[in-house]
Amino acid sequence: SAVISQKPSRDICQRGTSLTIQCQVDSQVTMMFWYRQQPGQSLTLIATANQGSEATYESGFVIDKFPISRPNLTFSTLTVSNMSPEDSSIYLCSVELVERAAGETQYFGPGTRLLVL
Amino acid sequence: DAKTTQPNSMESNEEEPVHLPCNHSTISGTDYIHWYRQLPSQGPEYVIHGLTSNVNNRMASLAIAEDRKSSTLILHRATLRDAAVYYCILRDPLGTTSGTYKYIFGTGTRLKVLA
Repeated sequence: SAVISQKPSRDICQRGTSLTIQCQVDSQVTMMFWYRQQPGQSLTLIATANQGSEATYESGFVIDKFPISRPNLTFSTLTVSNMSPEDSSIYLCSVELVERAAGETQYFGPGTRLLVL
Repeated sequence: DAKTTQPNSMESNEEEPVHLPCNHSTISGTDYIHWYRQLPSQGPEYVIHGLTSNVNNRMASLAIAEDRKSSTLILHRATLRDAAVYYCILRDPLGTTSGTYKYIFGTGTRLKVLA
């Protein structure tokens, strides 16, 4: 299994500013994912971050708006840049582990609740 | 991206079995079928996954149709703590890099368990 922490757990920000969300894992992982979840909605994949390579963004998400860093196998950051109220959401990071019994399994962090005023 | 279709919501009585269906008619031969659930105010958690054969674990059972175009998550005895949104997911290959995948979540089924 994996234990994932995210910082901050929540924040209230002014429009036009940027916020960097940190994701820390207690074991080394290759694949890390960043999702956004708006209230009452499903999860939307923002990007996949492999250590040592540039993040792969999904349609509708661009690096200038959501730059991602992946400096090592246990850590990643997602920055939400030039924020607007439409960016108010829960941001979750996750990792994929290959486990002996369960096979490929995703573990999620607790999420960062962002409110943009 | 691979697509799954689930009912928006279902209800079950406590202590009764629950069958949560999922259609994935565009599934490829090597796609695993994953199920996750999200309890209120928490991140999703893994439930079960399988390829072709039916699978059982301590949380649930997964029944996969012979043509693999549908599957059913079975909770044998629903409890109030099983009230959650259940997601059926297919992994998609991530670009052209072999062996790397992404998970695309559908709308999920909101399960309500009645006491």
